[in-house]
Amino acid sequence: GAGVSQSPSNKVTEKGKDVELRCDPISGHTALYWYRQRLGQGLEFLIYFQGNSAPDKSGLPSDRFSAERTGESVSTLTIQRTQQEDSAVYLCASSFRGSQPQHFGDGTRLSIL
Amino acid sequence: ELKVEQNPLFLSMQEGKNYTIYCNYSTTSDRLYWYRQDPGKSLESLFVLLSNGAVKQEGRLMASLDTKARLSTLHITAAVHDLSATYFCAVVPLTGNQFYFGTGTSLTVIP
Repeated sequence: GAGVSQSPSNKVTEKGKDVELRCDPISGHTALYWYRQRLGQGLEFLIYFQGNSAPDKSGLPSDRFSAERTGESVSTLTIQRTQQEDSAVYLCASSFRGSQPQHFGDGTRLSIL
Repeated sequence: ELKVEQNPLFLSMQEGKNYTIYCNYSTTSDRLYWYRQDPGKSLESLFVLLSNGAVKQEGRLMASLDTKARLSTLHITAAVHDLSATYFCAVVPLTGNQFYFGTGTSLTVIP
């Protein structure tokens, strides 16, 4: 497809488990962002990738969170030892380059039991 | 700490009425974006404002940017039910490419 694709769309897991979320950006988009959106709240920046530059990890809330991206392709967001407060929708967005309008995926709804 | 504040947070208005949503931010920027989010859906880009005095219009929505006042407005003209959604503004500082989102304005248009 032509849009940003995220998988899985929903994930339910037990507290303490690790989860991996995937984002396929739009082809040719060099910038990729991860956000967290808690119920009824705004978007919380997590991490930003721009091409092959070092990512901006300043938004990651703890060392349980990490993300990788190979080149300008797929990105994975990993949350280790999940906690209930990690429950949220995780949104991925890509853009042609940083500061250009972002195109958002449909998100992964993560529920920690 | 960079802040992006929207007001109101919640807005209920009747069809046919006009209203304005405000977005104030605390950094120097000449790039501001407006997004729409429907319940359970992702964000959809509405407007990109890239200079002081920029004005964009699409249908019943018009957005403007005053970089000196660090203020953007989203004006709704003759609201219709289909405009019911949450609207977010986002600012990109002059230095850097990180998007800072406002808290969102939840708009309900009542028939």
